Amino acid sequence: EVNLLESGGGLVQPGGSLRLSCAASGFSFRKYAMTWVRQAPGKGLEWVSGISGSGGSINYADSVKGRFTISRDISKNTLFLQMDSLRADDTAVYYCAKELGRDGYEAFDSWGQGTLVTVSS
Amino acid sequence: DIVMTQSPDSLAVSLGERATINCKSSQNIFYSPNNKNYLAWYQQKPGQPPMLLIYWASTRESGVPDRFSGSGSGTDFTLTISSLQAEDVAVYYCQQYYSNSYTFGQGTRLEI
Repeated sequence: EVNLLESGGGLVQPGGSLRLSCAASGFSFRKYAMTWVRQAPGKGLEWVSGISGSGGSINYADSVKGRFTISRDISKNTLFLQMDSLRADDTAVYYCAKELGRDGYEAFDSWGQGTLVTVSS
Repeated sequence: DIVMTQSPDSLAVSLGERATINCKSSQNIFYSPNNKNYLAWYQQKPGQPPMLLIYWASTRESGVPDRFSGSGSGTDFTLTISSLQAEDVAVYYCQQYYSNSYTFGQGTRLEI
């Protein structure tokens, strides 16, 4: 059974940094692209960033480009999202999700429960 | 970015009746070399993460009841629930994965 467990969320001041982690189990981690999706309180879904199975292909939403960095550690079956220069509008639940394939351009078939990031002074 | 627009924003349907949600993309998301539409549908219930229902516009995810179906091609897509059940109350999202900047529709709230 696929299991994705996010951690690292919390309260941070504007301009601060956080590093989110997503521990994956139940599947061959290196064979699948992974992604981060966020949801502001009471709002819809927003794709944030994705990374291919090999880590060789990475993409970001324009809203986070230059501030967020996605990475993965295949040896630890863990996905990361380094978030710098945080702003109030980054406040959201952050979900990690597994794509159906290795190279991206696929739907997300498994999701974690999410971790809440609150950016406020 | 490709803009995904869903209609309606909210929908009330009686138990056992058909529910139809539409999704329109701002550009074609059909890739002719593999004959696939890069479109997925998700269901999100309160306090839960989204769940994949349909991918490639019409392929039902394993375990999803067959009352859920997806159709459409190019820029216009539809999610149909053939006979609404109480547990189908949720927000439904379409998503394109054609471009390397994935985008979701704004969501459609489905109520009884």
